[in-house]
Amino acid sequence: ETGVTQSPTHLIKTRGQQVTLRCSSQSGHNTVSWYQQALGQGPQFIFQYYREEENGRGNFPPRFSGLQFPNYSSELNVNALELDDSALYLCASTNDRVATEAFFGQGTRLTVV
Amino acid sequence: GENVEQHPSTLSVQEGDSAVIKCTYSDSASNYFPWYKQELGKRPQLIIDIRSNVGEKKDQRIAVTLNKTAKHFSLHITETQPEDSAVYFCAARRPQAGTALIFGKGTTLSVSS
Repeated sequence: ETGVTQSPTHLIKTRGQQVTLRCSSQSGHNTVSWYQQALGQGPQFIFQYYREEENGRGNFPPRFSGLQFPNYSSELNVNALELDDSALYLCASTNDRVATEAFFGQGTRLTVV
Repeated sequence: GENVEQHPSTLSVQEGDSAVIKCTYSDSASNYFPWYKQELGKRPQLIIDIRSNVGEKKDQRIAVTLNKTAKHFSLHITETQPEDSAVYFCAARRPQAGTALIFGKGTTLSVSS
């Protein structure tokens, strides 16, 4: 098991609502990325944070936003939820931008109804 | 940006047979290529990775080959076992991109005994 933990594990929200997902990176890891994994698909890169600043973004609209805190934990915020936002949200951490292995958390299953 | 194509989408083999999954990438700057195994309801777990300065890497029954000129890389699993049944994802990453991986769509491997 990795040291990356996510909360909550499951969440149900109504269309139009806002949601905040949380990720605690593995000790010593200063780089965190968020991914959206729709059913039957590969993880899609949302964005990455390095030392509290956004450091790369995938093809996701601005209603997907994030934060990284001084302890390197991170939040993913999604505003104006749409039905298509239903997915498994994964975070991954590593100890630097040049490091190799990315360690994944167990994910948050978000269902939008 | 980077695009990763993965084939086949499903693969069924008999126990003891070999399995091969192939991926191509578009960005010649990508220099790190991991393979992840994801069991149902679980997080992606790294099974093997390769950097662009290496052509092949082996770890027991698993091997990965990389052809930089053709921009493709492959996962080879020998002597497959039922516990190898899972979804396998290839990914690519640019230099200094940290955890910003671009994933293929996955291959569902089924090993029957």
